[in-house]
Amino acid sequence: AQSVTQLDSHVSVSEGTPVLLRCNYSSSYSPSLFWYVQHPNKGLQLLLKYTSAATLVKGINGFEAEFKKSETSFHLTKPSAHMSDAAEYFCVVRGRGYQKVTFGTGTKLQVIP
Amino acid sequence: DGGITQSPKYLFRKEGQNVTLSCEQNLNHDAMYWYRQDPGQGLRLIYYSQIVNDFQKGDIAEGYSVSREKKESFPLTVTSAQKNPTAFYLCASSIGQYSNQPQHFGDGTRLSIL
Repeated sequence: AQSVTQLDSHVSVSEGTPVLLRCNYSSSYSPSLFWYVQHPNKGLQLLLKYTSAATLVKGINGFEAEFKKSETSFHLTKPSAHMSDAAEYFCVVRGRGYQKVTFGTGTKLQVIP
Repeated sequence: DGGITQSPKYLFRKEGQNVTLSCEQNLNHDAMYWYRQDPGQGLRLIYYSQIVNDFQKGDIAEGYSVSREKKESFPLTVTSAQKNPTAFYLCASSIGQYSNQPQHFGDGTRLSIL
């Protein structure tokens, strides 16, 4: 069985300050992990993916995430928030098989000017 | 540019009516998926298809039906048996069974009840 927990449903930061969105996962084997971003009334856009290579993964728009097996975490960070980062973010774990994709419940990021 | 096209963007259903949501992809992906998104619940899998003329039920298939007659197309029908169809529906595709490959998503269809 696999699961993913996004620890915060809402995060609010000031523009120019760091962003931290937290994600913990559980899986019976080494999973692949992804972060997606969703703007209102849009689909999900891939930010980055971890697939058992480097544990620090760099993605688009200045985001990065670090895979920590000992903590079963895959937190998403960005050094400096921009107004355009305001959106909902989903952590996703994918195991073997077509339907073995589990989505977190999402974290809404608010960026205050 | 390759991608996934969902139509219509907004759809309204009357009581007792079946409606069909369109999903087309030009990514040459084998696998396609339909998800339902409700506020605060993440995405839930309705149906998925690994290959043409084959599809499997996901976690919440009741009240929905699909077909996969062409590689590029995976339409979803919301039947009158689905008593709570109001949601945002997302179609996705992926290269295949490999777990390290991400899914690609369309821009969704928002379905409401009249």
